[in-house]
Amino acid sequence: AQTVTQSQPEMSVQEAETVTLSCTYDTSESDYYLFWYKQPPSRQMILVIRQEAYKQQNATENRFSVNFQKAAKSFSLKISDSQLGDAAMYFCAYRLHNQGGKLIFGQGTELSVKP
Amino acid sequence: NAGVTQTPKFQVLKTGQSMTLQCAQDMNHEYMSWYRQDPGMGLRLIHYSVGAGITDQGEVPNGYNVSRSTTEDFPLRLLSAAPSQTSVYFCASSYSSGRNYGYTFGSGTRLTVV
Repeated sequence: AQTVTQSQPEMSVQEAETVTLSCTYDTSESDYYLFWYKQPPSRQMILVIRQEAYKQQNATENRFSVNFQKAAKSFSLKISDSQLGDAAMYFCAYRLHNQGGKLIFGQGTELSVKP
Repeated sequence: NAGVTQTPKFQVLKTGQSMTLQCAQDMNHEYMSWYRQDPGMGLRLIHYSVGAGITDQGEVPNGYNVSRSTTEDFPLRLLSAAPSQTSVYFCASSYSSGRNYGYTFGSGTRLTVV
């Protein structure tokens, strides 16, 4: 069974600084997708960034980038120039290519941003 | 364009009561799924559906039933509520066509069982 682990329950960053959130996963499959979701206090689930396992290039979305290490099964999220609005719960998630309805989530990391 | 609509947003149940959490999507997505969110445990998959008439169990299916008679609706039924089912519940719909895919989440239902 696939599992996703986020080992940092809480993280803190100073405004304008950079922070990295960690995620590891366990799978025996080779074709899958990885995601980072942001959940602010409103409970809305917001897609931050996604990575296809068959792509070697790390995904980037503005201030958000990932470090995807397929052999190590690691998928960390780097937030650059942190803003107060980045404060939220962040979830790492995994899905197999041929299982569109099933997302497997990690435990989440609560990120606080200090002004 | 409503996306995924969950009702109700809040609910308090007594132990042993039954209820149905409603989920509807208007995007013609083939996949729908239910998750529960508990502190320190992330979102865990309860049940999911790959199309009308087809459902399957996720990680934590016990105590919950689902059915999918139409593409649009995917209700989650609690037959006899227990305090352990106190949680926030999310419904999601998704599509997947080759390498093209996307997910939409509802706004969640906070359920308290007393």
